[in-house]
Amino acid sequence: EDQVTQSPEALRLQEGESSSLNCSYTVSGLRGLFWYRQDPGKGPEFLFTLYSAGEEKEKERLKATLTKKESFLHITAPKPEDSATYLCAVRYGGATNKLIFGTGTLLAVQP
Amino acid sequence: DVKVTQSSRYLVKRTGEKVFLECVQDMDHENMFWYRQDPGLGLRLIYFSYDVKMKEKGDIPEGYSVSREKKERFSLILESASTNQTSMYLCASSAGQGSYGYTFGSGTRLTVV
Repeated sequence: EDQVTQSPEALRLQEGESSSLNCSYTVSGLRGLFWYRQDPGKGPEFLFTLYSAGEEKEKERLKATLTKKESFLHITAPKPEDSATYLCAVRYGGATNKLIFGTGTLLAVQP
Repeated sequence: DVKVTQSSRYLVKRTGEKVFLECVQDMDHENMFWYRQDPGLGLRLIYFSYDVKMKEKGDIPEGYSVSREKKERFSLILESASTNQTSMYLCASSAGQGSYGYTFGSGTRLTVV
C-alpha cells in the first residue's frame, strides 16, 4: 500500500537544540517529495521539493535531504518562530498530480 | 504573490443544509484540489480537477460533490451536511503535469451542528 509516515508525531526542543524530523514512504515511482510548514488555523506553506536520492535543499535553519526510502528535515539551532506542524507529501506513479500526505510532526521550540 | 483564496474562514451550518465552499486561484493553474484535515488523520483528498468541467474522486468523496465551471474557481458542495463533516477544508492548486507542489488556501473551518 502506498503510504507516507512521519515521525515523531510531536517534538519539543529548546531554542538552539538541533534535531531532525523523519518522513518515510513506500510508493512506486517517486516523482517528488514535498515538505510544508503549517501554522495553527492556516493552510500549509510550501518549503521544499526533492526529486532524487542524494538531493538536498536548504532554507534558513532548515535543510531537507532525500534517500530512496525516506527524507529528513534537519532543523539547526531552532528558534521559537520555527514552531509549527511540518508536513511531508509524495507524488508518485502516473500523470495525475496527486499527493499523499503524512500526518505531520508538531514541533514546539521553547525559548 | 500567487494566491488561493477560500471564501470563508469559519462557517457554522445545520445538519441537512446544503453547503457551498468556494475556492479561487489567480495563477492560471490547471489542477485544483479539495482536502479535509482532521487531527490524527492528516490531509485526505476529497475531489480534484485537472481541467475545466473535469473532476475525479479522491479518497473520501462520499457526501460531497464539486463544480469547476471556470479555470480559476473550484467549488466543494456538501449536499446534506452532517456532523461528521465538521472539519477544516483546504483548497489547493498546482500547475500542469510536472512534479509541482501545491499552493494552499488558508482553509475553511466548518462546524455542522
